[in-house]
Amino acid sequence: DSGVTQTPKHLITATGQRVTLRCSPRSGDLSVYWYQQSLDQGLQFLIQYYNGEERAKGNILERFSAQQFPDLHSELNLSSLELGDSALYFCASSRTGVSTDTQYFGPGTRLTVL
Amino acid sequence: EDKVVQSPLSLVVHEGDTVTLNCSYEVTNFRSLLWYKQEKKAPTFLFMLTSSGIEKKSGRLSSILDKKELSSILNITATQTGDSAIYLCAAAGGEKLTFGTGTRLTIIP
Repeated sequence: DSGVTQTPKHLITATGQRVTLRCSPRSGDLSVYWYQQSLDQGLQFLIQYYNGEERAKGNILERFSAQQFPDLHSELNLSSLELGDSALYFCASSRTGVSTDTQYFGPGTRLTVL
Repeated sequence: EDKVVQSPLSLVVHEGDTVTLNCSYEVTNFRSLLWYKQEKKAPTFLFMLTSSGIEKKSGRLSSILDKKELSSILNITATQTGDSAIYLCAAAGGEKLTFGTGTRLTIIP
């Protein structure tokens, strides 16, 4: 158990809908990262927050947005969902947010878009 | 664009064998190379390598970075069925990690 929690574990929804994925980092970690893992694409970095501020952006679609709250938990919002958004979404956290810092991954949220 | 390539894509060996997994990278402002093991769900951290030529070891696993060749290897000796997993390599450059697609390792008893 990494200490990073993610809810929900599974989410099944229809195309066009909007969902919110939630992540709580390990105690003491200030940085949160979001990743998408699909079968054909591997693990793709989406976005990073550090202490409430956006730190780095990866391959995140405009339909997706995220934020980190004062209590350091983070939410990833996915809207206008498409079939291709079906994937495993991981959250990871690290102490300082520097790219050399070890990231600890949560168990993931499996999103299925029908 | 930053890129990490792992080989082989898949490997099936018998218990007790030794395996070598490869990772090559091209990232801007390279800082470190990380290895993760992914079993059923979340990746778990194995190693972080920042210096070339210095081997890191943890039990039967070891890894080394070659900054000249922009590559790293992960060795697993005396493999066990519990080593069956996807092994992910990631290169840290700038402010982000770029992951390879992984090597799926299967250990046959």
